[in-house]
Amino acid sequence: GENVEQHPSTLSVQEGDSAVIKCTYSDSASNYFPWYKQELGKGPQLIIDIRSNVGEKKDQRIAVTLNKTAKHFSLHITETQPEDSAVYFCAASLTTGGGNKLTFGTGTQLKVEL
Amino acid sequence: GAVVSQHPSRVICKSGTSVKIECRSLDFQATTMFWYRQFPKQSLMLMATSNEGSKATYEQGVEKDKFLINHASLTLSTLTVTSAHPEDSSFYICSASRTSVTDTQYFGPGTRLTVL
Repeated sequence: GENVEQHPSTLSVQEGDSAVIKCTYSDSASNYFPWYKQELGKGPQLIIDIRSNVGEKKDQRIAVTLNKTAKHFSLHITETQPEDSAVYFCAASLTTGGGNKLTFGTGTQLKVEL
Repeated sequence: GAVVSQHPSRVICKSGTSVKIECRSLDFQATTMFWYRQFPKQSLMLMATSNEGSKATYEQGVEKDKFLINHASLTLSTLTVTSAHPEDSSFYICSASRTSVTDTQYFGPGTRLTVL
């Protein structure tokens, strides 16, 4: 089955700096890669996702890049703000039209310091 | 759009009792719903996948007789923890996929279960 590794486990940045979180996956057939943000005591919130037919996707301060050859994808957050502090999870799945299982990474605790 | 709710948000129960957790997609129809369990400072562990009108598919190691899942409609799935024990204490989270067109999962806010 799919295995997703995520690094780093913790990340501390100064407000305004950029943050990068990296994930690798094992199943070359995986074609859908979402990123979730989870605040303490809450459910994960989808912040951005990418499918294997594109290499990069951007939404304001958040961007995701995908390298299918190397089987890794990364989350980039620019101009970080204190409210970006949370745990971020990457995930991978093989989509065949709906109802497909996500394999999650182990999470990255991001702390944005003032 | 794509809002998923869970009820209750927190529940405390005694050992041996059963607890039901509801997961609802509020503004869309969910062909598939998923149930996850999350321990403190750990990732999400998929427990089971449920499709409306069908029996749930459980992940390896998850006891189907202990964690009863019912997906009665396109907007409601329930998880019942039967004969709960302290080791069942955890954060339970559901997610829902809109339809077969896309498989983006939208998560509920989670339910904190504490078994005394």
